[in-house]
Amino acid sequence: KAGVTQTPRYLIKTRGQQVTLSCSPISGHRSVSWYQQTPGQGLQFLFEYFSETQRNKGNFPGRFSGRQFSNSRSEMNVSTLELGDSALYLCASNSDSLNTEAFFGQGTRLTVV
Amino acid sequence: AQSVTQPDIHITVSEGASLELRCNYSYGATPYLFWYVQSPGQGLQLLLKYFSGDTLVQGIKGFEAEFKRSQSSFNLRKPSVHWSDAAEYFCAVGNTGGFKTIFGAGTRLFVKA
Repeated sequence: KAGVTQTPRYLIKTRGQQVTLSCSPISGHRSVSWYQQTPGQGLQFLFEYFSETQRNKGNFPGRFSGRQFSNSRSEMNVSTLELGDSALYLCASNSDSLNTEAFFGQGTRLTVV
Repeated sequence: AQSVTQPDIHITVSEGASLELRCNYSYGATPYLFWYVQSPGQGLQLLLKYFSGDTLVQGIKGFEAEFKRSQSSFNLRKPSVHWSDAAEYFCAVGNTGGFKTIFGAGTRLFVKA
């Protein structure tokens, strides 16, 4: 079965702009989590969506938001981009069943200039 | 609070030598533990996971890990390292469905010929 698909793979944006990233989970998975990875902070949990509802949230400012559609695809949005938002954004797909793990996409590399 | 500590930021081993990557965790309940590997610019791939049962867990690519509750540790081992093992390794703790997984800072492995 197909893995987690993130689009686009690479993005360059200007400070102050906004950006939307997309994630298509593994078929049948209803939970999608987002992570930000930077050299200084490592992997940090942004939020998790399950059945179109945000179920868990990390410690990020309100500029970071997301949503999930009825087909479980998820988008995350970052408004008023800052240089520090440059990072690899990873999406993880979960089946929400017992004894399973997160399956990760290849990520979207966002560069803010 | 849940946390994961990987004490070694980077490790260098010779090809063919044995490897042990350290991981300590803090978790209020029974932990679900994972090791992931990440190649440059890529997403995370699961090496192995521990949920319950035998405390010595076998994973892919010849890796194994041992859960030691008394030491709150979940160290990753490999008897003979190959050059292709050079990557970054993340220890993680999570819940049963794998969402909101908390990651350690990672250990970068360098393999010398």
